[in-house]
Amino acid sequence: SQTIHQWPATLVQPVGSPLSLECTVEGTSNPNLYWYRQAAGRGLQLLFYSVGIGQISSEVPQNLSASRPQDRQFILSSKKLLLSDSGFYLCAWSEEPRANYGYTFGSGTRLTVV
Amino acid sequence: GENVEQHPSTLSVQEGDSAVIKCTYSDSASNYFPWYKQELGKGPQLIIDIRSNVGEKKDQRIAVTLNKTAKHFSLHITETQPEDSAVYFCAARLINEKLTFGTGTRLTIIP
Repeated sequence: SQTIHQWPATLVQPVGSPLSLECTVEGTSNPNLYWYRQAAGRGLQLLFYSVGIGQISSEVPQNLSASRPQDRQFILSSKKLLLSDSGFYLCAWSEEPRANYGYTFGSGTRLTVV
Repeated sequence: GENVEQHPSTLSVQEGDSAVIKCTYSDSASNYFPWYKQELGKGPQLIIDIRSNVGEKKDQRIAVTLNKTAKHFSLHITETQPEDSAVYFCAARLINEKLTFGTGTRLTIIP
């Protein structure tokens, strides 16, 4: 069966420090991968998605970047964190769009920038 | 692109009563409609989904109905329990496109 792993679960980082959040998927190949951010009490904002290794699409301009160095690995990064980067970050995967199924989400990372 | 509206944003229901959350979508070509439940501090979990060739689907105390003509779908939770308290998201998807999520409904079950 497929599983998605996301870490760390919580992170407190000072303003101006770098960020690296990692997400890996097991039990499937060539998944579509997504990074979402959720502000407190708010909805799901799509940040990045990837349909293959090295293929990244950005949904909103921001202080963050994403990379997909391996088929089942998706990384969210920042060179210098801002206070506004605080939030709950979720990774998700899905089958290719032609299959038209839902997404499976990871357990999330709570990022607090201080 | 697709646009999904979700109502209400908050809902309080007495334990044992039913809860209904409604969503509308804009693109008549959408054909997949999942519902997610997000408990505090966790990622959203798929609880039920429906495709456009079906009008209703049930799974124990939860059900989803779809009205393609009106372009709306609803989540029904019967005999609500305290563990049903969570944020619920609806979503819609066209084939070959990404999921579009609603803005979420915070459901509180009052003991």
